[in-house]
Amino acid sequence: QQQVKQSPQSLIVQKGGIPIINCAYENTAFDYFPWYQQFPGKGPALLIAIRPDVSEKKEGRFTISFNKSAKQFSLHIMDSQPGDSATYFCAASIGRGGGSNYKLTFGKGTLLTVNP
Amino acid sequence: NAGVMQNPRHLVRRRGQEARLRCSPMKGHSHVYWYRQLPEEGLKFMVYLQKENIIDESGMPKERFSAEFPKEGPSILRIQQVVRGDSAAYFCASSPSVNWDQPQHFGDGTRLSIL
Repeated sequence: QQQVKQSPQSLIVQKGGIPIINCAYENTAFDYFPWYQQFPGKGPALLIAIRPDVSEKKEGRFTISFNKSAKQFSLHIMDSQPGDSATYFCAASIGRGGGSNYKLTFGKGTLLTVNP
Repeated sequence: NAGVMQNPRHLVRRRGQEARLRCSPMKGHSHVYWYRQLPEEGLKFMVYLQKENIIDESGMPKERFSAEFPKEGPSILRIQQVVRGDSAAYFCASSPSVNWDQPQHFGDGTRLSIL
């Protein structure tokens, strides 16, 4: 049972384009939604995260949009650069004792290629 | 600040052997998590430990897999009698707490290959 569904599997854009990666979740108990960036041979690195009390969060060129009623959230990368080429994972977790940073459930990932 | 350190980076074992994967969390982090990543898949939660205690091992296979996080030294993920299906990248993460504003930091993983 895949609790977090991510699409597309791969994505190619030109430099300056705005790639959009989408995720949908099933478990309404999820209350923390981070996005991770992973380069080949490296571990995932946290990019940006959102909680369901807001519908959008921006950090630099990265924006998360969150739709609680549709149980969907997406990552937008503004003015994409070749250096953004990596695999992106969405994730979700359930609060525990007020915190919500444990037992992350990951999507399958999106391989993003930004051409020069 | 040193990040999460995992070793070895690559480990090759023959079927039936034991594999030991080590993880040193970031300084000041007492919460450790292990995840497994199969090819073309996302990371799957295995176990969550806090110094000397296993808090949640719901993602661990029932047999052959064990984890510990002793008072002194790194966290160890141990796989006994390895099989081909154990080939994967194993990632360790750590955090100072489980609060949402203190995210998990990942190491660069151990790539385990079973011959």
